Amino acid sequence: DVKVTQSSRYLVKRTGEKVFLECVQDMDHENMFWYRQDPGLGLRLIYFSYDVKMKEKGDIPEGYSVSREKKERFSLILESASTNQTSMYLCATNRGVGSPLHFGNGTRLTVT
Amino acid sequence: GDSVTQMEGPVTLSEEAFLTINCTYTATGYPSLFWYVQYPGEGLQLLLKATKADDKGSNKGFEATYRKETTSFHLEKGSVQVSDSAVYFCALSDSGGYQKVTFGTGTKLQVIP
Repeated sequence: DVKVTQSSRYLVKRTGEKVFLECVQDMDHENMFWYRQDPGLGLRLIYFSYDVKMKEKGDIPEGYSVSREKKERFSLILESASTNQTSMYLCATNRGVGSPLHFGNGTRLTVT
Repeated sequence: GDSVTQMEGPVTLSEEAFLTINCTYTATGYPSLFWYVQYPGEGLQLLLKATKADDKGSNKGFEATYRKETTSFHLEKGSVQVSDSAVYFCALSDSGGYQKVTFGTGTKLQVIP
């Protein structure tokens, strides 16, 4: 079974802080994704990566950046956290187009 | 662009009732279609999928049929259990080179004994 591990279940940060969310997968999948989940809005794609050091913007990349230095690790960075970034963040991975996503358990981030 | 529309929730059913959650989509090309389920406190997990028209995906008593003529992928279960209480997401995966997966807004299901 694919395991996708997100480093924190809950985080509380202050406005203006730099925030790192980490995600590690153990199945050698090429693709990794960051989504945020908000009530009534479903899941929205922030960024995805299809290879080491490669990244593509999703639907809502503003205020975020990503890093993929190793195949198994994909980091989401909030350069200067704001209260409107309070949300549930989900990391996912898959092995290619049309194949199912495998999700981590999520990180609930609160920015105060 | 691609989009997925699913019925608003929450849906409240009694145990052993019949479940339908409607899902329609718009997409170019021939997408793959998915239902994901999210139990409280967890990430999403794949429930079932279908990759081409008229395919039926099934798992754990749930079924959905890929209907290209109506651009629909409705989720059904004949007899729900309390343990089915969760949020259900319909999603599509673009058939082109772009890796994007588009999700609906989710439908919360509560099953009462």
